[in-house]
Amino acid sequence: DSGVTQTPKHLITATGQRVTLRCSPRSGDLSVYWYQQSLDQGLQFLIQYYNGEERAKGNILERFSAQQFPDLHSELNLSSLELGDSALYFCASSVARGELFFGEGSRLTVL
Amino acid sequence: AQSVTQLGSHVSVSEGALVLLRCNYSSSVPPYLFWYVQYPNQGLQLLLKYTSAATLVKGINGFEAEFKKSETSFHLTKPSAHMSDAAEYFCAVNLNTGNQFYFGTGTSLTVIP
Repeated sequence: DSGVTQTPKHLITATGQRVTLRCSPRSGDLSVYWYQQSLDQGLQFLIQYYNGEERAKGNILERFSAQQFPDLHSELNLSSLELGDSALYFCASSVARGELFFGEGSRLTVL
Repeated sequence: AQSVTQLGSHVSVSEGALVLLRCNYSSSVPPYLFWYVQYPNQGLQLLLKYTSAATLVKGINGFEAEFKKSETSFHLTKPSAHMSDAAEYFCAVNLNTGNQFYFGTGTSLTVIP
């Protein structure tokens, strides 16, 4: 158990819909990262937050947004979903220059 | 600029044979380096990490990696492969620029009985 909790574990929805993925980092970790993993794209960095502030952006689409709340949990919002958004979405947390601890992921299927 | 390069997206070894997964990095500052393993339908799990202490790092499940600054490499090895080692392996670097991590594209390890 990494200490990082992600919900839901599985999600099936239709094209055009909007979903929210939730992540609770390890206790004490201020940094939260979101990654997307698909068969054709591999592990793609989406966005990083540190103590509520956006720290870095990767290959995150404009249809996607995220935020980190004062209690440090984070949410990734995916809207106007397309078939190609079907993937595993991972959240990870860390302390400064420490390793990343990954959650088990949220598997999104867009039909 | 690519910070981490994993050579070989697929590696096959026989059970009991040496496992060697290659990782090269690019960095102008002392890096922190990591190897992660991902089993099917699971999240990434830390195998080992290098944080500027000993250059030979031992991890879980019998894996180890050696940091070679002159070669900018951090290859992962295991003397004897086991069937349970079949998984995806990712090399990652933290350059301490805003605590950002850069991952390689992964190497899928197949162990042949």
